[in-house]
Amino acid sequence: NSKVIQTPRYLVKGQGQKAKMRCIPEKGHPVVFWYQQNKNNEFKFLINFQNQEVLQQIDMTEKRFSAECPSNSPCSLEIQSSEAGDSALYLCASSPWDRANTEVFFGKGTRLTVV
Amino acid sequence: QQKVQQSPESLSVPEGGMASFNCTSSDRNFQYFWWYRQHSGEGPKALMSIFSDGDKKEGRFTAHLNKASLHVSLHIRDSQPSDSALYFCAASEIASSSFSKLVFGQGTSLSVVP
Repeated sequence: NSKVIQTPRYLVKGQGQKAKMRCIPEKGHPVVFWYQQNKNNEFKFLINFQNQEVLQQIDMTEKRFSAECPSNSPCSLEIQSSEAGDSALYLCASSPWDRANTEVFFGKGTRLTVV
Repeated sequence: QQKVQQSPESLSVPEGGMASFNCTSSDRNFQYFWWYRQHSGEGPKALMSIFSDGDKKEGRFTAHLNKASLHVSLHIRDSQPSDSALYFCAASEIASSSFSKLVFGQGTSLSVVP
């Protein structure tokens, strides 16, 4: 079973509302990813971190999206002003990313519905 | 443009049968492949990785990679109803020396019929 913990599992927001989701990566995994999986099951990479530092990120959707992975706190992904098109499953993943193991472990996701 | 093309979109096989999925990368930078499985209501879980040319077998699962054509396939023998799920191939640029993101194919929905 995945040890990446995502909360909440389900999130319903009105258009224009702020949506925030959290992720606790697997212990000892320095690399964290956020992906968006839409209703067609297509994955979109959003951002990744090594420890607290951003490694790669897309142009964060008109700056409405922000993410952080503070030390000793859960990682988070926040949408400042939700839009209908943001409705999707948001997946957090972590990886040890060392020479012995580059597997990426996913959480169960937060399903966001924007009404 | 989709850098990882996966087929078929959906597949139905009888219990005990063989299920096969295919994936091709259009970007020669993507040479490291994984297969993931996602059951309904769950996140994706890695089935296996393949980085070298040829076959890799793990139990009922066999992956094949042809680096020249950037084609990877997954075969499940003796399919079980519990194998019914979404299957994704994922590619990345470098396996271990950089924190390269995974690029996923469109997925294949597998249904194993008892």
